[in-house]
Amino acid sequence: NAGVTQTPKFRVLKTGQSMTLLCAQDMNHEYMYWYRQDPGMGLRLIHYSVGEGTTAKGEVPDGYNVSRLKKQNFLLGLESAAPSQTSVYFCASSRDFIYEQYFGPGTRLTVT
Amino acid sequence: AQSVTQPDIHITVSEGASLELRCNYSYGATPYLFWYVQSPGQGLQLLLKYFSGDTLVQGIKGFEAEFKRSQSSFNLRKPSVHWSDAAEYFCAVQNSNSGYALNFGKGTSLLVTP
Repeated sequence: NAGVTQTPKFRVLKTGQSMTLLCAQDMNHEYMYWYRQDPGMGLRLIHYSVGEGTTAKGEVPDGYNVSRLKKQNFLLGLESAAPSQTSVYFCASSRDFIYEQYFGPGTRLTVT
Repeated sequence: AQSVTQPDIHITVSEGASLELRCNYSYGATPYLFWYVQSPGQGLQLLLKYFSGDTLVQGIKGFEAEFKRSQSSFNLRKPSVHWSDAAEYFCAVQNSNSGYALNFGKGTSLLVTP
């Protein structure tokens, strides 16, 4: 039981490049989330999903897209990376709203 | 919308001393509240959560928190701090308008001195 895993762990992009971050969970959770963490800002919600095939925008969605084609996977895409997207990205999942969220180890992304 | 504020950006305590980290929430109804800890370069680990019932909540690693509706607070406490407790601590409230995502405070960085 691996919990929540994220791929890759580190990535450096040049401005304008694209990439996809993969989040996978093996706990059969319905809810999945993408957050970004910046110094002094805490974690902020980018997008979330309440079930397979559904996605919705969070607090800071601009410049990102997501997909949840399979229940266990939640993909975060950057179509044209910008330096402002340099951050640590965390994925989380939850069985239901009354249960805790489990976090992945994070992906550190640098955009130059 | 539900939100939390952590008034202290940094706190320094001596090893063996007691600890209290402050968290104030903003929400009209009963909030679902959480405390997470993040060690350097690591992910987030849940310390404890409050949904309802007993206002004093026990968590892992010897932490506890008390929900006080009259003060809109959910402060985290530990009677005796260990050097390994040095980390970033986040208070969070569940947001029912965003798929029950968490709204995090900006965090409190704990430094433990010998």
